[in-house]
Amino acid sequence: QKEVEQDPGPLSVPEGAIVSLNCTYSNSAFQYFMWYRQYSRKGPELLMYTYSSGNKEDGRFTAQVDKSSKYISLFIRDSQPSDSATYLCAMSAGNYGQNFVFGPGTRLSALP
Amino acid sequence: DVKVTQSSRYLVKRTGEKVFLECVQDMDHENMFWYRQDPGLGLRLIYFSYDVKMKEKGDIPEGYSVSREKKERFSLILESASTNQTSMYLCASSWGDSNSPLHFGNGTRLTVT
Repeated sequence: QKEVEQDPGPLSVPEGAIVSLNCTYSNSAFQYFMWYRQYSRKGPELLMYTYSSGNKEDGRFTAQVDKSSKYISLFIRDSQPSDSATYLCAMSAGNYGQNFVFGPGTRLSALP
Repeated sequence: DVKVTQSSRYLVKRTGEKVFLECVQDMDHENMFWYRQDPGLGLRLIYFSYDVKMKEKGDIPEGYSVSREKKERFSLILESASTNQTSMYLCASSWGDSNSPLHFGNGTRLTVT
């Protein structure tokens, strides 16, 4: 079993839809959770950064962490064509060495 | 805004060549990282550095070495490039505490023929 699982997609949604992207993980020591957006031929860009369980909202984006289920989600409201990208989840236990573990990414197409 | 700059976007090298990938960050970050990204495998850590002249092996250091002579610059070296090192290489940096998120450059697409 991989340490972090993420459905690779592709996921196609119409413009204006609500998108739900998810990751599951196996290491209960993870405390810090991140979502990155990666456009084609670009590096990952940090979207959301959360600590422990709970929700965090930033504009059209909401990150949710459920540590009891080892499950994190990213919701995108009112999806736009500019949201078309690959979304990577990442997590860390916060130990020395900062060994972040990344999911393989979900490719999203938000169609006009 | 944090800027992490990788010197080349695309590189094509021959098997056996020595390859240098350069990365510079402008935010005075203590930590710097080299990852490779392959389809279906996610990002895998090659090496990281938490201070000048310091380095630590990541998950897949074999076939690679690194150099950090200045705080802002972190170099990845492929001593003798092989075809299985064809990949996207991503440099990242972060503040010194272990909780800080990574900030990435735009990557170098390396092809070894």
